[in-house]
Amino acid sequence: DTGVSQNPRHKITKRGQNVTFRCDPISEHNRLYWYRQTLGQGPEFLTYFQNEAQLEKSRLLSDRFSAERPKGSFSTLEIQRTEQGDSAMYLCASSRLGGELFFGEGSRLTVL
Amino acid sequence: AQTVTQSQPEMSVQEAETVTLSCTYDTSESDYYLFWYKQPPSRQMILVIRQEAYKQQNATENRFSVNFQKAAKSFSLKISDSQLGDAAMYFCAYRRPEGGATNKLIFGTGTLLAVQP
Repeated sequence: DTGVSQNPRHKITKRGQNVTFRCDPISEHNRLYWYRQTLGQGPEFLTYFQNEAQLEKSRLLSDRFSAERPKGSFSTLEIQRTEQGDSAMYLCASSRLGGELFFGEGSRLTVL
Repeated sequence: AQTVTQSQPEMSVQEAETVTLSCTYDTSESDYYLFWYKQPPSRQMILVIRQEAYKQQNATENRFSVNFQKAAKSFSLKISDSQLGDAAMYFCAYRRPEGGATNKLIFGTGTLLAVQP
């Protein structure tokens, strides 16, 4: 059990560029969550998967955001045409059904 | 919609002393879970303690305990014998039970705890 792994840990990009973050959950966990955390705020829910199915999406997840979990293992979160307001820490978490959420260290995005 | 409120942006405690972090929440549900998470600087969030709403007994994990007041919708965290390693951001969170329409955690805005040597 190596924990939840997120890559890259830091990403600096220019406004208008696309970025993709990857999350590798704990191997036996079938649930995977994405959260966004801005400075001084608590994490805000974006979306979650059960296996490969995306079961819930927040209204925060505009059409510039897309998340996938193609084989029910790792997940990617893509942000297209980034805006300065997208600057945040993007957190991934995984869990068993009904179990405790284990979080990764996050991917910090800075949009210039 | 459920909300979680932490009214103390920052708290400070002397090493070996006790500190209480406050959390209130709003829900129309009768069954739910409440959590306290710890987020050290530049480290991942970890679960400190959880409470099932149907349990009247307050949860305890070593030096960490909660005061769960269901009628008042209050869920405070008490840290006894504070240690330097307890310094972190603490988040209160709410979740509906398994099988509900959603399984997401709803977080408060956090309390930054400083521990003075």
